[in-house]
Amino acid sequence: QKEVEQDPGPLSVPEGAIVSLNCTYSNSAFQYFMWYRQYSRKGPELLMYTYSSGNKEDGRFTAQVDKSSKYISLFIRDSQPSDSATYLCAMKRLTGNQFYFGTGTSLTVIP
Amino acid sequence: DTGVSQNPRHKITKRGQNVTFRCDPISEHNRLYWYRQTLGQGPEFLTYFQNEAQLEKSRLLSDRFSAERPKGSFSTLEIQRTEQGDSAMYLCASSLGPAKLFGPGTRLTVT
Repeated sequence: QKEVEQDPGPLSVPEGAIVSLNCTYSNSAFQYFMWYRQYSRKGPELLMYTYSSGNKEDGRFTAQVDKSSKYISLFIRDSQPSDSATYLCAMKRLTGNQFYFGTGTSLTVIP
Repeated sequence: DTGVSQNPRHKITKRGQNVTFRCDPISEHNRLYWYRQTLGQGPEFLTYFQNEAQLEKSRLLSDRFSAERPKGSFSTLEIQRTEQGDSAMYLCASSLGPAKLFGPGTRLTVT
């Protein structure tokens, strides 16, 4: 079993929809949780970064971490065609430097 | 300098040839990482430097791979005797804290 599981999609939504992207994990030692956006043939771009449990909001993006369920989510409100990309979750233990990535979810927002 | 830069952006080589990639991190970041990403997968950790010291290497980093970071600034990743299975996007990232910022990647195609 992989340490981080992410549904690869593809996910297709109409413009203006609320998008929910999720990852589950098995390692309870993960304390840092990141979401990256990756456009085709580009490097990942950091969107959100949270430590431990709770919510964090940045503009149209909200990240949620539920450590009791080992489940993290990224919500995108008022989705735009420019949000069309692959979204990667990543996690890290308190010590050490290695990130553990999900496989990414491909999102298309249809105008 | 506003981000991580990587050169070249794309490299096509014949099987058996050696290739070298360069990464210039964000100047104040003391930590530098190399990852490899294949289509439909999340990035996989290869190696990590803190300043000039290579502190961690993945089992993915076979003896054909070598990375350096002289003087703790830019880094190079060399692949000797390339194989078709080495075809991937090679990503460099740097950080001061837990969140990593990625470069645009070098796409390697081995024919």
